[in-house]
Amino acid sequence: EAQVTQNPRYLITVTGKKLTVTCSQNMNHEYMSWYRQDPGLGLRQIYYSMNVEVTDKGDVPEGYKVSRKEKRNFPLILESPSPNQTSLYFCASSSLRTGAPGTSGSALNEQFFGPGTRLTVL
Amino acid sequence: LAKTTQPISMDSYEGQEVNITCSHNNIATNDYITWYQQFPSQGPRFIIQGYKTKVTNEVASLFIPADRKSSTLSLPRVSLSDTAVYYCLVGDIRGYQKVTFGIGTKLQVIP
Repeated sequence: EAQVTQNPRYLITVTGKKLTVTCSQNMNHEYMSWYRQDPGLGLRQIYYSMNVEVTDKGDVPEGYKVSRKEKRNFPLILESPSPNQTSLYFCASSSLRTGAPGTSGSALNEQFFGPGTRLTVL
Repeated sequence: LAKTTQPISMDSYEGQEVNITCSHNNIATNDYITWYQQFPSQGPRFIIQGYKTKVTNEVASLFIPADRKSSTLSLPRVSLSDTAVYYCLVGDIRGYQKVTFGIGTKLQVIP
């Protein structure tokens, strides 16, 4: 089954204790991304990766690190978590198939999302 | 990145057609328009994507006028299970980099 998995699904931790949230996809997608979702703020992108060893900042990268050593995995690292990083986190992946806009050959760049990780930092 | 504007919330009765409009005045030539649906505590799910005119799939239609400065997601005969948040995204399929979801439109379907 094609899917994006995240672990753990729930995590309660304390300020300053380093943690990693794993993300893995089995669809051979080039693109992977992390988002956080907070009430009233919608989904905000943290980091994304266009392929192995290619990562870049999204809108809210402060306090986070990522790595993309393998195509299927894209872990999110919080070196020193703080309470303002309490949030619901989603990982997503997508294929990158290009085509001229409006042509019938254009592919759907659908993002597939994981089930989410609810993180609480005390 | 083209900024999008959607209504914050909408209510609809079961069985009605629902149209959610998204404004994207600064859309660029290479930008596609994509809609996602999200249920509480779940990740968003792709609904439909288009570039111009009309696109239809098994769950929705997407209407895009010639100037592409707006788009309308149409959900035919909604049911209670369509209660969700709907996001409009605009982005370059080839540059597919930063993605901005915004806060979306919360659709409440009423029995």
